[in-house]
Amino acid sequence: GQQLNQSPQSMFIQEGEDVSMNCTSSSIFNTWLWYKQEPGEGPVLLIALYKAGELTSNGRLTAQFGITRKDSFLNISASIPSDVGIYFCAGQPGGSNYKLTFGKGTLLTVNP
Amino acid sequence: KAGVTQTPRYLIKTRGQQVTLSCSPISGHRSVSWYQQTPGQGLQFLFEYFSETQRNKGNFPGRFSGRQFSNSRSEMNVSTLELGDSALYLCASSLDGGGGYTFGSGTRLTVV
Repeated sequence: GQQLNQSPQSMFIQEGEDVSMNCTSSSIFNTWLWYKQEPGEGPVLLIALYKAGELTSNGRLTAQFGITRKDSFLNISASIPSDVGIYFCAGQPGGSNYKLTFGKGTLLTVNP
Repeated sequence: KAGVTQTPRYLIKTRGQQVTLSCSPISGHRSVSWYQQTPGQGLQFLFEYFSETQRNKGNFPGRFSGRQFSNSRSEMNVSTLELGDSALYLCASSLDGGGGYTFGSGTRLTVV
């Protein structure tokens, strides 16, 4: 089955630093999504990408849909303490397949 | 606009029992998906419903089942509970299944 490799598994950074994380897949996806999850809550959608090569920003967050459709990355600029959480990438094949395949997540810790 | 509502938030059941979890999607959303989240396996897709029809199914045993009602509300049922079924069960909704899903806060199921 499809697998998503997300890296790094965890990051410990200082406030103000930039962060980069990425996902690679063995299969093609038509949609890439990035979610953030905080303790006791469900994942919250940060950015959705629908087209190969697409670069999309949401405030300090920027994500790109890889040209091969098998990868995506998320950048967070000038991190702040409230960025703490687990970030997940997810891919959706498209067509009649609405299943999301998730990466294992990147645990981000920001030191004030 | 109300988000995705899952009930109950917490549940403790005994091995061998069955359980029913409930999900109310965002108003107007017709696609509802269910995911199981565990520390070891991460987020795993269970099934997806649209207009009362199951369109996609994950690789879970037949003990896991679901349904969707005409008002798009959904339930999932797990019969003959096993210790390994202890997990956070997340429901997510979207307009039609494509693009980003909005997740609920989940139901934390503990099987003892």
